[in-house]
Amino acid sequence: GAGVSQTPSNKVTEKGKYVELRCDPISGHTALYWYRQSLGQGPEFLIYFQGTGAADDSGLPNDRFFAVRPEGSVSTLKIQRTERGDSAVYLCASSLKPKISPLHFGNGTRLTVT
Amino acid sequence: SQQGEEDPQALSIQEGENATMNCSYKTSINNLQWYRQNSGRGLVHLILIRSNEREKHSGRLRVTLDTSKKSSSLLITASRAADTASYFCATDAGANNLFFGTGTRLTVIP
Repeated sequence: GAGVSQTPSNKVTEKGKYVELRCDPISGHTALYWYRQSLGQGPEFLIYFQGTGAADDSGLPNDRFFAVRPEGSVSTLKIQRTERGDSAVYLCASSLKPKISPLHFGNGTRLTVT
Repeated sequence: SQQGEEDPQALSIQEGENATMNCSYKTSINNLQWYRQNSGRGLVHLILIRSNEREKHSGRLRVTLDTSKKSSSLLITASRAADTASYFCATDAGANNLFFGTGTRLTVIP
């Protein structure tokens, strides 16, 4: 594909439910990032993958959040027992080479927990 | 906590004027990047400046970096209504991920 694709674009769920957010990075990009952005704020780092492994998950707020990238391409961010405070836009980005290449962002998934 | 802080938080100018946004950060960096975000969209990379560079140009964009002051500025010359967006600086803080600031919301009035 031409860019990073995120699905769904919008997700409304009830408090306590489980959600999965999907990211299709640019083909050939080995680095993949998840960020969370609240209204009026900058993106907040969640987790970074290099290939299949999570190289840095220090941004995950708690153990309700988990992400996988089993084949080194598509990634899924999973949130268990959602809370209203999880409502935000979840952004995915990919990069050819971390640190020296720019990040290419998807348009995000807007998650609303009611 | 986020590494960078932009200022001003919001900026409103007339079309044709120049817009200057500043970014301050806290720790040593390898490079600093500027991104732009239109409402409801993802971020788009504008320019990357390495820690050993002091100034970089790209079209109507000019970025400066002062590592001694841990600060950077983004200048957009001859602004257009289409430049209306939020602008973020991002630093690597020596890691493989990027930390973003809180952004400057630029409004260019036609």
